[in-house]
Amino acid sequence: DTEVTQTPKHLVMGMTNKKSLKCEQHMGHRAMYWYKQKAKKPPELMFVYSYEKLSINESVPSRFSPECPNSSLLNLHLHALQPEDSALYLCASSQVGRTGGGDTQYFGPGTRLTVL
Amino acid sequence: EDKVVQSPLSLVVHEGDTVTLNCSYEVTNFRSLLWYKQEKKAPTFLFMLTSSGIEKKSGRLSSILDKKELFSILNITATQTGDSAVYLCAVRIIQGAQKLVFGQGTRLTINP
Repeated sequence: DTEVTQTPKHLVMGMTNKKSLKCEQHMGHRAMYWYKQKAKKPPELMFVYSYEKLSINESVPSRFSPECPNSSLLNLHLHALQPEDSALYLCASSQVGRTGGGDTQYFGPGTRLTVL
Repeated sequence: EDKVVQSPLSLVVHEGDTVTLNCSYEVTNFRSLLWYKQEKKAPTFLFMLTSSGIEKKSGRLSSILDKKELFSILNITATQTGDSAVYLCAVRIIQGAQKLVFGQGTRLTINP
């Protein structure tokens, strides 16, 4: 099973709302990722969790707050977003990288977020 | 700065043609290169390449890596309309934790 699930599939929110995106995997992967993808652009890395600890934050504004409550779940809490934050938000997971080797990241279907 | 560049950015061919997509990179702490196919939603994994000169093959798709010249190609033979998608090249690097650096993607359109 190489499935990563994400909920919701679509989300429309106002600039004053608070919402959360959820991601789940049951592949035993200990690295999980959030990406943001705008139309006709490649995914941009936002956060990396390794063994449930935040290991990379690509200078993401604090209105995005990630959380990794356990090894299977990854959340992205959203608050006071701007219209330019509208995008497809992708979650991915992988084995934790080993030196000299490679590990594939498997992506979820994404949440299409619209901020009004 | 880590950089992955794909070419062409867009390609339109007829069904049955063979296409070659290119990916060049300049990164530190290279670990592997991955190819993904993205249609409407999530990127789906195609290949992971870590060693130079060893071709990976899956049906009509194949890919090879040249670590000396820092590039990879993805070949698709006997293209079908279902091959229409954006093909993403990503290089896995280690920067504390592993991360993927993506190219801009090649938008491939196969006309019947």
